[in-house]
Amino acid sequence: EVQLVESGGGLVQPGGSLRLSCTASGFTFSNYWVSWVRQPPGKGLEWVAQIKQDGSEKYYVGSVRGRFTISRDNAKNSLYLQMNSLRAEDTAMYYCASEETGTRFVYWGQGTLVTVSS
Amino acid sequence: DIQMTQSPSSLSASVGDRVTITCRASQSIDSYLNWYQQKPGKAPNLLIYAASSLQTGVPSRFSGSGSGTDFTLTISSLQPEDFATYYCQQRGTFGQGTKLEI
Repeated sequence: EVQLVESGGGLVQPGGSLRLSCTASGFTFSNYWVSWVRQPPGKGLEWVAQIKQDGSEKYYVGSVRGRFTISRDNAKNSLYLQMNSLRAEDTAMYYCASEETGTRFVYWGQGTLVTVSS
Repeated sequence: DIQMTQSPSSLSASVGDRVTITCRASQSIDSYLNWYQQKPGKAPNLLIYAASSLQTGVPSRFSGSGSGTDFTLTISSLQPEDFATYYCQQRGTFGQGTKLEI
């Protein structure tokens, strides 16, 4: 069974940092692009960042570029999101998702909630 | 950046109804369009990919069509479990969502 399990969310003050993790199982993680997608409370979905199978290519939505860093460790079947200089508008449920051809997100984790507030 | 506009933003329907949701891209995206269903408190679930291909395990009452800039998701006969929010997606852009209510 394919599983993606996120962790690392929590309450952080504006300007603070947080590192999210996503651990994959049930499929060959190293064969897939993976992304972080977030959803503010009561709002729609927003793609945040994407990383190639070998980590050689990374892409970000403009609002997080320079503040967030996506990375992966294929030996640990893990995806990460380092979030720095956090803002109130970064408050959201953060999902990791594996991609197949055409940037379709087939498998999703259950999400981890990040709340940025003083 | 390509913008994705869904309509309507909300929709009331009844069990057994046929429902259509539309998604318009700000420029041609060929057939690179996916549809998701999301229920409260859950992660999204892929329904349709490449505009018209049914994801494995998704009931056949769901169908997708379109190419270029205009796309539709159709549910042929609504079931109680279909009341949810639906999103279209093209690469790094999601539509704003359509909430389907009873």
